[in-house]
Amino acid sequence: AQTVTQSQPEMSVQEAETVTLSCTYDTSESDYYLFWYKQPPSRQMILVIRQEAYKQQNATENRFSVNFQKAAKSFSLKISDSQLGDAAMYFCAYRSALSWETSYDKVIFGPGTSLSVIP
Amino acid sequence: DTAVSQTPKYLVTQMGNDKSIKCEQNLGHDTMYWYKQDSKKFLKIMFSYNNKELIINETVPNRFSPKSPDKAHLNLHINSLELGDSAVYFCASSQAPSNQPQHFGDGTRLSIL
Repeated sequence: AQTVTQSQPEMSVQEAETVTLSCTYDTSESDYYLFWYKQPPSRQMILVIRQEAYKQQNATENRFSVNFQKAAKSFSLKISDSQLGDAAMYFCAYRSALSWETSYDKVIFGPGTSLSVIP
Repeated sequence: DTAVSQTPKYLVTQMGNDKSIKCEQNLGHDTMYWYKQDSKKFLKIMFSYNNKELIINETVPNRFSPKSPDKAHLNLHINSLELGDSAVYFCASSQAPSNQPQHFGDGTRLSIL
């Protein structure tokens, strides 16, 4: 069974600085998808960024980028120029590419990292 | 025009009662899910439905019964509520292929007195 680990329960960053949140996963599959979701105090789950395992190029969305190391099964999220609105829980998630077979359609979430932004 | 909407947002009730949470999505997605988020923020899948058919049931007590009248709706009924059921329950939907993200509702905070 796949597992997702986020080893940093809490992180903090100064406003305008850069922070990296770590995520590792365990799988025997070769094709899969990875996601980072953000959950602010409002409780909404918001997609931040996604990565297809077959793509070598790291995904980027504005101030958010990932460092995807497939061999190491690592998927870290880098937030540049941190803003107060970035303060939230961040969840790393794994989804099997076999999910087109609906019986495999399960998204595995990590335990989350709580990010604080210091003004 | 909310994509995934759940009602109610808050539910406070006594132990032993029966309650329901409703979920609707207007994204045309084929798959809908229920997740439970505990007090430590850990998200765990409970159920997954594809085109009204139950696909995943993750060892959830049978006091929890999902019902999908059509592919746009997935409701969650809970019988004989227990203290341990206190949590935030999220509904989500997604469409194949699986590189597509899940879209979440705003969650329902269930508090058992």
